[in-house]
This record gives sequence, C-alpha cells and structure tokens, in this order.
Amino acid sequence: GEDVEQSLFLSVREGDSSVINCTYTDSSSTYLYWYKQEPGAGLQLLTYIFSNMDMKQDQRLTVLLNKKDKHLSLRIADTQTGDSAIYFCAPDSGYALNFGKGTSLLVTP
Amino acid sequence: NAGVTQTPKFQVLKTGQSMTLQCAQDMNHEYMSWYRQDPGMGLRLIHYSVGAGITDQGEVPNGYNVSRSTTEDFPLRLLSAAPSQTSVYFCASSKRGSRVGFEQFFGPGTRLTVL
Repeated sequence: GEDVEQSLFLSVREGDSSVINCTYTDSSSTYLYWYKQEPGAGLQLLTYIFSNMDMKQDQRLTVLLNKKDKHLSLRIADTQTGDSAIYFCAPDSGYALNFGKGTSLLVTP
Repeated sequence: NAGVTQTPKFQVLKTGQSMTLQCAQDMNHEYMSWYRQDPGMGLRLIHYSVGAGITDQGEVPNGYNVSRSTTEDFPLRLLSAAPSQTSVYFCASSKRGSRVGFEQFFGPGTRLTVL
C-alpha cells in the first residue's frame, strides 16, 4: 500500500500541547483521518480533514494539512493524562484506509 | 445499534488448524474490511468488500479467505494457521456517501495466537 510515516513515540507533560506529525505518499486521498486507540481497545475516529482544507479546529484538536508537502499534523491543546493512547494517521485510499504505524503518546503528570 | 461486533475476543490455535473469525454490523454499511495489527506495524489491510457478493484483496491477503453473502456479515477464514498469523484482527465498516467521507467504524478486535 501507500506509505504513511509517523514518529513512534511522543512524551509530553500534562497541560502542554502535543503535536503528532504524519507524512504520506498518496496524493489522491480525499479525506485524511486521525484515529485514537486506547490500550486493549479498537480504534475510534478522533477527527478528520477534507483534502481541500488546510486547517480544521475541533475543541482541543487542531489538524493542519499541507497538501503540497503531503504532511498532516494533529495538535492537542492542554494535553491530559486521558489523552495517553496510540494515534494513527490514516489517509483514505480507494475503499479502505492506509494506516501509519501509530504514535504512542505518553502524558506525564 | 450494536455497531461492529467481532467474535471470538481471544483464540489460541495450533499450527495447521483452520478457523473463522466472525464480523457483523447492523448499520447497513456497504463497505467492510479486515485489518491485522502487529506491534510496530500499524494496521494492514487483509481483504475488503464493497457490497454483498463483492470482495477484493488488500495488502496482506495470503493465508486468508473472505466471503460476503449478506450486507451484515463478513467472516474471515484462516485456512491453515501459521505462527506468522498471530496478531490482533480488526473488522471495520463504513457507509458510502457518508458526510465524513470514508469514516470507518471498528470492532473491538480478536486477539489470535497460533502456536
């Protein structure tokens, strides 16, 4: 499948902002998603951005898309311990999604 | 709505055994997919279906079969289990024409160990 790259780990202090970055290769993706996976659980949709947008804000979440560079980022403001999870970048590709390997976010008190 | 359900939650097999992982959704979604998740590998697409009677291969289809006789069900069959198939398997579904594009709804997963 198409390549989706993410850094594997990120550690932040509670209250700080977290930024998770993603690069992808499939320029035909129409929607780009961020999924969250808590330990032992399935994946839940966190937020998404349409490919003709460059920014989307949703409460504490900000998604930035640089389509020219095929770069997507997720910023979590005022990060809480409950935000500790694995975050997956997933551009759409035909009838399924291409997932990155996931970024494990650890939030320390 | 129950959403996407998967059974069993856990399974241990011996090499060479066969089994079927069940997946069902009650949202009338056209699209269904199977992914496997391995440590450090993210999720990889095994097979997918765009509607009843239509299936296609994903990135890692070898050793797995699927069929889609109804909209609701999308079972995944392991024909002759191998240790390399030890993984967590996720089923997902999505609706054509959703306002969120291709948003996929995931089941809770089946953790499979092949000895």
